[in-house]
Amino acid sequence: QQQVKQSPQSLIVQKGGISIINCAYENTAFDYFPWYQQFPGKGPALLIAIRPDVSEKKEGRFTISFNKSAKQFSLHIMDSQPGDSATYFCAASMRQGAQKLVFGQGTRLTINP
Amino acid sequence: GAVVSQHPSRVICKSGTSVKIECRSLDFQATTMFWYRQFPKQSLMLMATSNEGSKATYEQGVEKDKFLINHASLTLSTLTVTSAHPEDSSFYICSARPGQAGNEQFFGPGTRLTVL
Repeated sequence: QQQVKQSPQSLIVQKGGISIINCAYENTAFDYFPWYQQFPGKGPALLIAIRPDVSEKKEGRFTISFNKSAKQFSLHIMDSQPGDSATYFCAASMRQGAQKLVFGQGTRLTINP
Repeated sequence: GAVVSQHPSRVICKSGTSVKIECRSLDFQATTMFWYRQFPKQSLMLMATSNEGSKATYEQGVEKDKFLINHASLTLSTLTVTSAHPEDSSFYICSARPGQAGNEQFFGPGTRLTVL
């Protein structure tokens, strides 16, 4: 019940296209859903995060769509660029307790020029 | 703001030696710090949660006597890998959460440990 399932495992998108990565969770106590971007040999960097009281959040080219009833959320990268090529992780945590992050399995995104 | 540093960035050691990794929050106070381990092409695996001034809480399957965590101040946590073996070779990443600022965690750049 603590798992966050992420798909696809890898994704190739043409420059200028839309990259879409999906995540699903089971634990309804999760109330914070961040997305992280990680380049090889570096630590993850927070891209954007959402709480379940909204269905969508947009920051620049990055948008999170959140479906509370389906327990799913997704990251959309508009106008994808080669510099967006990285591994993306979704995560979830609860407001109570240690607020530990539970990570998805990761998606390796490649943007072809 | 919200910068987390790790030192060293890369370390190579011989089997049987101990290695200490430092994690610092540079511009905020972190009441809670987390230590993760990441194998190539895999996700981050939480090893332990540490709160300033108290003992760390280890995740199931993580040996607390092998991975010693100290969180002596609000800006510094250390992870010591004792009697390291080749299977301990991995990418170790820390994160820090500011005071009562909610769930957000800020990650360090990671430390690549190679045990020969």
